[in-house]
Amino acid sequence: ILNVEQSPQSLHVQEGDSTNFTCSFPSSNFYALHWYRWETAKSPEALFVMTLNGDEKKKGRISATLNTKEGYSYLYIKGSQPEDSATYLCAFSQAGTALIFGKGTTLSVSS
Amino acid sequence: EAQVTQNPRYLITVTGKKLTVTCSQNMNHEYMSWYRQDPGLGLRQIYYSMNVEVTDKGDVPEGYKVSRKEKRNFPLILESPSPNQTSLYFCASSLSSGGVGTQYFGPGTRLLVL
Repeated sequence: ILNVEQSPQSLHVQEGDSTNFTCSFPSSNFYALHWYRWETAKSPEALFVMTLNGDEKKKGRISATLNTKEGYSYLYIKGSQPEDSATYLCAFSQAGTALIFGKGTTLSVSS
Repeated sequence: EAQVTQNPRYLITVTGKKLTVTCSQNMNHEYMSWYRQDPGLGLRQIYYSMNVEVTDKGDVPEGYKVSRKEKRNFPLILESPSPNQTSLYFCASSLSSGGVGTQYFGPGTRLLVL
């Protein structure tokens, strides 16, 4: 059974802090790695889709890296703001399979 | 506006009473899927569809049915709901198969089965 692990489960930081989360996944037959942001009472929204080892993506203060050989991806948030408070989901797929989601990392940013 | 819509958004029902949750997308996406979200668990795929008349089981298909008669619609059917199907349900669509295509999620349907 394929499993996607995210750590930490939850995180509380102060406004202005930079933070990062980890997504671990099986390194064999890698196909794609997704990151989604899920705010309370809303639906998940896509941040990044990465397919190549060494991929780095950036959107504003949020960036992500991918290491398919060792099976992990990092999501970084620089200078966290209260509006960054959300649950961040990663999802992984192998070739020909559906996305498998992790349980998410819940970030809370205090002003 | 490009979007995925779901109806109803909230539903309280009783055990055994058949219900349908509708899902519609206006982005001409080929791939659609249904997920359920339960506390302490990640999003789990129920069913997916690669195109019209092509559907397949996801990780947790028991107790659910789907159909894909038109490209834009992908209803989720609970023939005889049970309390363990109380959950938050999301419909999603993507331009390409779920592995690579960015998933666009609907607003969610919160279901309570008494």
